[in-house]
Order: sequence, then C-alpha cells, then structure tokens
Amino acid sequence: DADVTQTPRNRITKTGKRIMLECSQTKGHDRMYWYRQDPGLGLQLIYYSFDVKDINKGEISDGYSVSRQAQAKFSLSLESAIPNQTALYFCATGNGVNEQFFGPGTRLTVL
Amino acid sequence: AQSVTQLGSHVSVSEGALVLLRCNYSSSVPPYLFWYVQYPNQGLQLLLKYTSAATLVKGINGFEAEFKKSETSFHLTKPSAHMSDAAEYFCAVSEPGNQFYFGTGTSLTVIP
Repeated sequence: DADVTQTPRNRITKTGKRIMLECSQTKGHDRMYWYRQDPGLGLQLIYYSFDVKDINKGEISDGYSVSRQAQAKFSLSLESAIPNQTALYFCATGNGVNEQFFGPGTRLTVL
Repeated sequence: AQSVTQLGSHVSVSEGALVLLRCNYSSSVPPYLFWYVQYPNQGLQLLLKYTSAATLVKGINGFEAEFKKSETSFHLTKPSAHMSDAAEYFCAVSEPGNQFYFGTGTSLTVIP
C-alpha cells in the first residue's frame, strides 16, 4: 500500500462549487503539506502543518483552506472553485529532517 | 530567504550521452539539497539528497550530484542517458527543519 494517498485522483468541477481534496499517510510523520503544480512554475506551497494544532499559510493560500483532522489526515478545500485553480495538486509528508514524501497527485479541472 | 534556480526548462540528450541538469540555490545557512524526479502521471520521487555529509552524492538509477558551496550549485549528472530517464526533474532546497523550496523543473527528453 502507498504511504501517502490522495483522493480523488481526478476531478472535474464547475466554477463556484466547493471541493475537498483529501490526503492520508501511513508514515507516522507530523508534518504535512499541500502543493500546487502548474506547467513552468514548479511546485508552489499552499498550506503546511507541523502537527494537528499547527496550520500555516504557504506562498499561495488565497482561495484555499485546510483541515488537519488527525496526524494522518490533511484535507485541502476550495470554497468556491475558479478556473485558474485548475492544476495538479500534491500532498506530501515530512519528518522535519531531510526528506518529503509525495502522494500521487490529484488532477483538478475547474470549468 | 531561500530560492532555487534551474537553468533550462527543457533539456534534450541522445541515448547514451551525458545528462547534466543545472541547479543553483540561495540560502542563508548551510542547506539541505534535493533532486526529485516526476514521471508522467506520477508524484515526485526522491533521486538523491545532500545533508552536509559527502559533497558528491549518489542516488538511484545512476544519478549523482555534487554540492559546490563556492558556486552555490547542486548539478545533477548521469554518465549515460537511458530512454527511461525521460521525466521532469526538480531541485529543492531546505534549511534543516523548515519547509522546502522547489525549482521550476527541467523536462528531460532522451532521443533514441
């Protein structure tokens, strides 16, 4: 089984809809991250959490919110999706020392 | 402040030729440095990492990178490209215990 899982893997939605992307991990790491990947821009950090009670904004948090339901779960929400949020979204975990482990990604299309 | 610059968003090499992907970083303290690979429709996979031990780091699939403090560089190399190396490669920097900063990526094409 994969260490970091993301659901759904693909999602098409309409402008104005609320959508939640979910991430679960079995690595036992305290730190979890949400990134957005756009062609030519690399990965941009949306939000990160160093433990269940710690949530921090990243470079591009506007239009997004997160929830850390447990050590193993970190969800990303788009309250009112817009077309420029069409992207590939990655969840990652980290042990705070020297590596991040990535999920397989969620491809989101907002029409 | 930390940042990563990857020179060349697209690199093409012939099968069997040397692969060289460039990465320069800025960091106010000795950094941790990473190379990740992303195959089509997959997440990022760690190729190798530098965490203040040996400056020449060997990774998976025959890749290696050398940390050069004087040049603030961490270039990725492989002596002989294989078709299966075609992918997107990302360099990343982190100060110990802190968040990662990724470069914009280099797409590697291997020509048969």
